[in-house]
Amino acid sequence: DAGVTQSPTHLIKTRGQQVTLRCSPKSGHDTVSWYQQALGQGPQFIFQYYEEEERQRGNFPDRFSGHQFPNYSSELNVNALLLGDSALYLCASSLDPGISYEQYFGPGTRLTVT
Amino acid sequence: GQQLNQSPQSMFIQEGEDVSMNCTSSSIFNTWLWYKQDPGEGPVLLIALYKAGELTSNGRLTAQFGITRKDSFLNISASIPSDVGIYFCAGQRDTNAGKSTFGDGTTLTVKP
Repeated sequence: DAGVTQSPTHLIKTRGQQVTLRCSPKSGHDTVSWYQQALGQGPQFIFQYYEEEERQRGNFPDRFSGHQFPNYSSELNVNALLLGDSALYLCASSLDPGISYEQYFGPGTRLTVT
Repeated sequence: GQQLNQSPQSMFIQEGEDVSMNCTSSSIFNTWLWYKQDPGEGPVLLIALYKAGELTSNGRLTAQFGITRKDSFLNISASIPSDVGIYFCAGQRDTNAGKSTFGDGTTLTVKP
């Protein structure tokens, strides 16, 4: 039973560039959430996708956008990168929260913006 | 910003000792989750709590959902070196189901 997978593992970008991160949820899960984890802090919620739509959003600017595909996999896009966007980006999958609140995380993508 | 306060921020203990850590909030949560994160990895779910007053165990780990619904506690008994890592609490509200609010973690170091 495959867990949550994310790609790439590491990424280095320059300020102003755009980046796309990818996530495949745990088998059987249909809901994907994205979190940003800065060094020394807990993860912060970016947004959640269910049935290919953004269902909830945290306090992040419109530069952060996402997409969910029919197979439940998801992408996180960040435009006009800033130095402060450097962080570990985590994807978490779960069943519809009407069924379970348990979220399972992938290993993350380490993004460095120079 | 973060709404959950975890304490202590870090702990240095001897192998075999018991560990207690807690998480408090100024507002109510309806679900509490405890995670462990190793360096370079994503958080791994340890215990989920769904009811005020609930006490749940997972091996040497025991967690409790505070009766006020504003706090939660995690205990680790007879610590071993592989318990080293960062422990995070997370809360969820029904009105934002699926959105977890995390604390900043308790870093545990176990000396053999």
